[in-house]
Amino acid sequence: NAGVTQTPKFRVLKTGQSMTLLCAQDMNHEYMYWYRQDPGMGLRLIHYSVGEGTTAKGEVPDGYNVSRLKKQNFLLGLESAAPSQTSVYFCASRATGVTADYGYTFGSGTRLTVV
Amino acid sequence: AQSVTQLDSQVPVFEEAPVELRCNYSSSVSVYLFWYVQYPNQGLQLLLKYLSGSTLVKGINGFEAEFNKSQTSFHLRKPSVHISDTAEYFCAVRGFGNEKLTFGTGTRLTIIP
Repeated sequence: NAGVTQTPKFRVLKTGQSMTLLCAQDMNHEYMYWYRQDPGMGLRLIHYSVGEGTTAKGEVPDGYNVSRLKKQNFLLGLESAAPSQTSVYFCASRATGVTADYGYTFGSGTRLTVV
Repeated sequence: AQSVTQLDSQVPVFEEAPVELRCNYSSSVSVYLFWYVQYPNQGLQLLLKYLSGSTLVKGINGFEAEFNKSQTSFHLRKPSVHISDTAEYFCAVRGFGNEKLTFGTGTRLTIIP
């Protein structure tokens, strides 16, 4: 099925370990986003990309890095995980142009626990 | 800058009763507005959106919302709720020319049998 796929779905990390979350979309969307969801705080934007090879910071970028080497993939990296990064991470993508419906398509999330 | 306020963090409603989930936004430019639903342990699904035109927007599962520019509100309504509507609901705003979607903190809707 077309959409946004996130891997892995669950992960437990030890403090100081590193990992990469992968987001892949097959809808040829230009824009891609990484959000984190924490109880009572809604979704907060970490980083986003408006096209292949470009990235920008969102509201809460500290401790994360991203890369968009291919249009369909958007990677989120944690270089040295901290307990404060325990969260559910969502990737989203969006089409552009006059015919786009401006809606975002979300992945099913990655639940990350840092111990 | 843009922001969204969902004043009610939890709303309990009896089955088959009507419900309104409140959303107020702030933006220095014109906006696009969205409501998303998140069922337990799932991602977000678009319920409805306001882009332009008619201020009353109808979405999936019998939900509707009304854009009120003077009150900067976009409240979500359903005339009769079902157990299956139990979920968390997020209001979101994106200002014209802004690439970022800003979410509210969510409202957890609980349906009482």
